[in-house]
Amino acid sequence: SYALIQPPSVSVAPGQTARITCGGNNIGSENVHWYQQKPGQAPVLVVSDEIDRPSGIPERFSGSYSGDTATLTISRVEAGDEADFYCQVWDRSSDHWVFGGGTKLTVL
Amino acid sequence: QVQLVESGGGVVQPGGSLRLSCAASGFTFSAYAMHWVRQAPGKGLEWVAVISYDGSSKYYTVSGKGRFTISRDNSKNTVYLQMNSLRADDTAVYYCGGSRLTTEPFDYWGQGTLVTVSS
Repeated sequence: SYALIQPPSVSVAPGQTARITCGGNNIGSENVHWYQQKPGQAPVLVVSDEIDRPSGIPERFSGSYSGDTATLTISRVEAGDEADFYCQVWDRSSDHWVFGGGTKLTVL
Repeated sequence: QVQLVESGGGVVQPGGSLRLSCAASGFTFSAYAMHWVRQAPGKGLEWVAVISYDGSSKYYTVSGKGRFTISRDNSKNTVYLQMNSLRADDTAVYYCGGSRLTTEPFDYWGQGTLVTVSS
């Protein structure tokens, strides 16, 4: 089955740029979505199809991909951005949704 | 405003059954695919099942197939997850989610209901 690989943690200072990666076989041919989950809360969609942001999501959140890696970029990181982030793909070969293992973003 | 409210969680013995419900409001429920996603304590998200807007298509994770059944009642704006033969590793917070199609990302999420499988 399709697997998505994320680093367990990323740390960044306030005001800097955070990049969270999501690796998967030929991921560039998939639609990759990103969710933010703060402690004790439900996940929230922050980027869909790599480039679209739902209403209310700051422009500081953006997605991209290159080769076998999709990346969520958070510019001008704020303390309130601290959360777990998950990438997600619909695996057409198995008709399953797949989540990456999650990345904990720490704002130093 | 959009609301998804899960209920039905609790403590159940291994081998037991539980039915979760998710009541929706604030959007056109009958036009949305609905999902169940779970999160074991301290772990990541795991997709469990999806049902199409009209109930004609259903897909399950491997670990849930044959044990879990997703269904919906569009007249009650509610989606269900019947869970049988529960195991300790089914212990998790179960979230329901909504998307415009079964293959589109989840626009809406509930706050979750905790299922604990323990003797």
